[in-house]
Amino acid sequence: QVQLVQSGAEVKKPGASVKVSCKASGYTFTDYYMHWVRQAPGQGLEWMGWVNPNSGGTNYAQKFQGRVTMTRDTSISTAFMELSRLRSDDTAVYYCASLGATIFDYWGQGTLVTVSS
Amino acid sequence: QSALTQPASVSGSPGQSITISCTGTSSDVGGYNYVYWYRHHPGKAPKLMIYEVSNRPSGVSNRFSGSKSGNTASLTISGLQAEDEADYYCSSYTTYNTWVFGGGTKLTVL
Repeated sequence: QVQLVQSGAEVKKPGASVKVSCKASGYTFTDYYMHWVRQAPGQGLEWMGWVNPNSGGTNYAQKFQGRVTMTRDTSISTAFMELSRLRSDDTAVYYCASLGATIFDYWGQGTLVTVSS
Repeated sequence: QSALTQPASVSGSPGQSITISCTGTSSDVGGYNYVYWYRHHPGKAPKLMIYEVSNRPSGVSNRFSGSKSGNTASLTISGLQAEDEADYYCSSYTTYNTWVFGGGTKLTVL
């Protein structure tokens, strides 16, 4: 069965960077874009961007451009999301998701990133 | 890219029907039939309820239906049940080859 398994919770200081991984299994990794979505405490879902696992191409939400980098390693069917220059309002649960491809819609379990001094 | 507009909350009694609206622009909701609806319980992964405006994945109750008119999409839940209580989000593909979510709607079953 399709599974997206994310790395564990992180605690970072303001100004630092965080890199979250998302390992895919149960399907051909390069067949579907991988998206990243976050939810801050008390807030809604926020789309951050996607990486094309086949080409490595990316497209980011304007809000995160210059601060986010999405990559992939096809040899281990894993996508990565790195967010730099962290601020306290980046505290959120970060999800990887294969979405927007009709019914092929799967989400990771979420990774809590806490930014605190 | 601004978030799609949803009502912050809706409520209904068991057995009733409710509708959640999702308003965007011609660059997203109005321009494409790529509107998706999710049910989300905080701390869990969102669950797909409707894809491409009005299609229901297998396993999703036929009490859930979706539609679109112009720049506004809608999710209707009929025969409300207590288990329907959750946060609901719409999302849409955009002309910038990006995606955007709505602000979310908290559904309360009275």
